[in-house]
Amino acid sequence: DQQVKQNSPSLSVQEGRISILNCDYTNSMFDYFLWYKKYPAEGPTFLISISSIKDKNEDGRFTVFLNKSAKHLSLHIVPSQPGDSAVYFCAASENSGGSNYKLTFGKGTLLTVNP
Amino acid sequence: DTEVTQTPKHLVMGMTNKKSLKCEQHMGHRAMYWYKQKAKKPPELMFVYSYEKLSINESVPSRFSPECPNSSLLNLHLHALQPEDSALYLCASSQLQGFSSPLHFGNGTRLTVT
Repeated sequence: DQQVKQNSPSLSVQEGRISILNCDYTNSMFDYFLWYKKYPAEGPTFLISISSIKDKNEDGRFTVFLNKSAKHLSLHIVPSQPGDSAVYFCAASENSGGSNYKLTFGKGTLLTVNP
Repeated sequence: DTEVTQTPKHLVMGMTNKKSLKCEQHMGHRAMYWYKQKAKKPPELMFVYSYEKLSINESVPSRFSPECPNSSLLNLHLHALQPEDSALYLCASSQLQGFSSPLHFGNGTRLTVT
């Protein structure tokens, strides 16, 4: 049973336009959400995160929106650049107590930004 | 450059071999993780170490044996693997100041079991 879902396997946008990557989750106990970017032959790189007490977090060109009632989050990249082309993973965690920290990942969305 | 270093980058081993994957970080993180990623799948958690003690084992078969010799090092000992164990093995680390600290991943070891 997939608790974190990224229903779009791929997305293609023009350079300079907005990229919107979507993520849905089913576990209402998730309270912290992250986006990771992954280039081929590299490990995932942390991009941006949001706590469940917020509905928006912005860092430069990247903004993450969280809609708890809909169990939905999205990552906006504006303006998109060719170097943003990568696989983007949505991830979520719940405070399982103590120092345990378990991330559940979505399947990823391949973003291609065309020059 | 990633701050989590994994060696080797690639490993090919037979089903009767014994090999080890190594991971090192010097960020002072006290939690370290092993993830497994198959092609076109998300990373899946295998093990979590907190303060050098195993805190999570996601029902991983005993042919995978983790070890955390100190706060900077994490090993994954492999023995009698199966071809279906071929995957990208990712190491990660994080601080332990609550759960809201992101994981920092290494570039992984691409393992092929023949």
